[in-house]
Amino acid sequence: KQEVTQIPAALSVPEGENLVLNCSFTDSAIYNLQWFRQDPGKGLTSLLLIQSSQREQTSGRLNASLDKSSGRSTLYIAASQPGDSATYLCAFYSSNTGKLIFGQGTTLQVKP
Amino acid sequence: GAGVSQSPSNKVTEKGKDVELRCDPISGHTALYWYRQSLGQGLEFLIYFQGNSAPDKSGLPSDRFSAERTGGSVSTLTIQRTQQEDSAVYLCASTFQGYNGYTFGSGTRLTVV
Repeated sequence: KQEVTQIPAALSVPEGENLVLNCSFTDSAIYNLQWFRQDPGKGLTSLLLIQSSQREQTSGRLNASLDKSSGRSTLYIAASQPGDSATYLCAFYSSNTGKLIFGQGTTLQVKP
Repeated sequence: GAGVSQSPSNKVTEKGKDVELRCDPISGHTALYWYRQSLGQGLEFLIYFQGNSAPDKSGLPSDRFSAERTGGSVSTLTIQRTQQEDSAVYLCASTFQGYNGYTFGSGTRLTVV
């Protein structure tokens, strides 16, 4: 059974801190990994997509890395802002199942 | 269209009634997925379509749930004889081939009273 684990489940930090969200997965047939953001009561917004042949992707203050050998991905957020408060979900596309498999998410609160 | 469109955005229905949820994917996207997110929970896979066929229906919770996709485009998710436990946000996503990422709609919030 494919599983995706996200740690921590919740995180509260003061504004300006750099932080790391962790995602681990067990399926070795990962095709790509995608990080999403979900605001309360809203749909999912794609943040970064990393292909299995890549090691990292960057967008603004966000950097995501992928290590297939260890089954891990991290999302690094630099200089966090209150507007970053949301739930962050990682999901990988498995070439075994043809499905996007989600973690439970990390709920981030950035305090002004 | 420019994004994945879902309708209605909110639906309140009485227990026992049937509901239809609609998803209009990005033009040209061949694969379409339905997920369900209950309050405070993660995303639960329901069904996906490749073209008009559904290779994987394993996530449908019961035979009250069905989905179809016509013309390789719009999909409808139908829930018959709704129950209170069906209350959730139903999310739709589409992708061209999977390897170029997924785009999600804003979801339909279903409340069964």
